[in-house]
Amino acid sequence: DADVTQTPRNRITKTGKRIMLECSQTKGHDRMYWYRQDPGLGLRLIYYSFDVKDINKGEISDGYSVSRQAQAKFSLSLESAIPNQTALYFCATSPSGTDTQYFGPGTRLTVL
Amino acid sequence: RKEVEQDPGPFNVPEGATVAFNCTYSNSASQSFFWYRQDCRKEPKLLMSVYSSGNEDGRFTAQLNRASQYISLLIRDSKLSDSATYLCVVNYEGGGNKLTFGTGTQLKVEL
Repeated sequence: DADVTQTPRNRITKTGKRIMLECSQTKGHDRMYWYRQDPGLGLRLIYYSFDVKDINKGEISDGYSVSRQAQAKFSLSLESAIPNQTALYFCATSPSGTDTQYFGPGTRLTVL
Repeated sequence: RKEVEQDPGPFNVPEGATVAFNCTYSNSASQSFFWYRQDCRKEPKLLMSVYSSGNEDGRFTAQLNRASQYISLLIRDSKLSDSATYLCVVNYEGGGNKLTFGTGTQLKVEL
């Protein structure tokens, strides 16, 4: 079984809809991250959490929110999806004290 | 100026060739450096960390030049399976566990 899983893997939705992307991990890592990847722009950090009660904004948090329900779960919500949120979204985890991050398989989101 | 810059490529090389990628970073306070590999439409995976003294892992050699603020990756004896996008990644001092990613350099190894 994969250590970091994301659901759904693909999603097509319409403008204005609320969308939730979920991430689960079995690695026991404290730190979790959400990124989006767009062609030519690389990965950009949306939100990150160093612990269950810790939530921090990344460089592009506008239009997104997150919830850290447990150490193993970190979900990303788009309250009202817009077309420029069409992207590949990755969740990542990291143990405290190291820089190495482990990525989930990604969610391809299309907003029409 | 981008914080981490890479030549997007693609670099098209024959199997068995040696190929090198460079990456420059803008923040002199950068602390940790990595190369990640990303296959098409898949997640990035850590290839190797980059240490000040340089380090090697099989056919892969990474170098760091702090004075010039660049990182390099050398791949010897390229294999078809090396075809991927290579991401240069930097962690800034005081940035916690947050990484800054370059946009990647695409490598295509051909027969």
